[in-house]
Amino acid sequence: AQSVSQHNHHVILSEAASLELGCNYSYGGTVNLFWYVQYPGQHLQLLLKYFSGDPLVKGIKGFEAEFIKSKFSFNLRKPSVQWSDTAEYFCAGTHFGNEKLTFGTGTRLTIIP
Amino acid sequence: GAGVSQSPSNKVTEKGKDVELRCDPISGHTALYWYRQSLGQGLEFLIYFQGNSAPDKSGLPSDRFSAERTGGSVSTLTIQRTQQEDSAVYLCASSLAITGGSEAFFGQGTRLTVV
Repeated sequence: AQSVSQHNHHVILSEAASLELGCNYSYGGTVNLFWYVQYPGQHLQLLLKYFSGDPLVKGIKGFEAEFIKSKFSFNLRKPSVQWSDTAEYFCAGTHFGNEKLTFGTGTRLTIIP
Repeated sequence: GAGVSQSPSNKVTEKGKDVELRCDPISGHTALYWYRQSLGQGLEFLIYFQGNSAPDKSGLPSDRFSAERTGGSVSTLTIQRTQQEDSAVYLCASSLAITGGSEAFFGQGTRLTVV
């Protein structure tokens, strides 16, 4: 079955630390991958997406993700986190031609001032 | 509308009662999704619609759950004979066509509490 997995359930970092959140997918063939963020009390919003082309994708608020096909991974990165990055982060994906969007279980990120 | 709208925003119901949750997607969006988010859990896929048909309803937890979409627009998720384990935030999202390059836009959700 198609799936997306996130192995980091809760990550705690200090401000200015570098961030990398893991995401792996199990689709074969062409995939579409996303990172969504949910700030406390707010609805889910898109950080970035990958469809094709450059495997390094830039998103909002300084986030980026790299699609590595050989590793079935789409990890999210940010060089220097801020307190305002405290949120829950979800990786999601679809298999090309299939509109079903599957989410990982999410990673809660806590930034300590 | 400007975004995905869900109603009600909060619903408290007694165990055994039926509830209806409504989702108004962004105008023109052909795909519509329902997810459930429980405390400490991720987003659990329930069902998605392409137009008025549901190619995948594999995530509906039991036959107490059903959903429909009419006119390629509004969708209703119905839970019959609610149980306490149904308590969660129910999220709706819509998109033009994800595999065509668009993203899914989410509503604020309906927080369902079964007492």
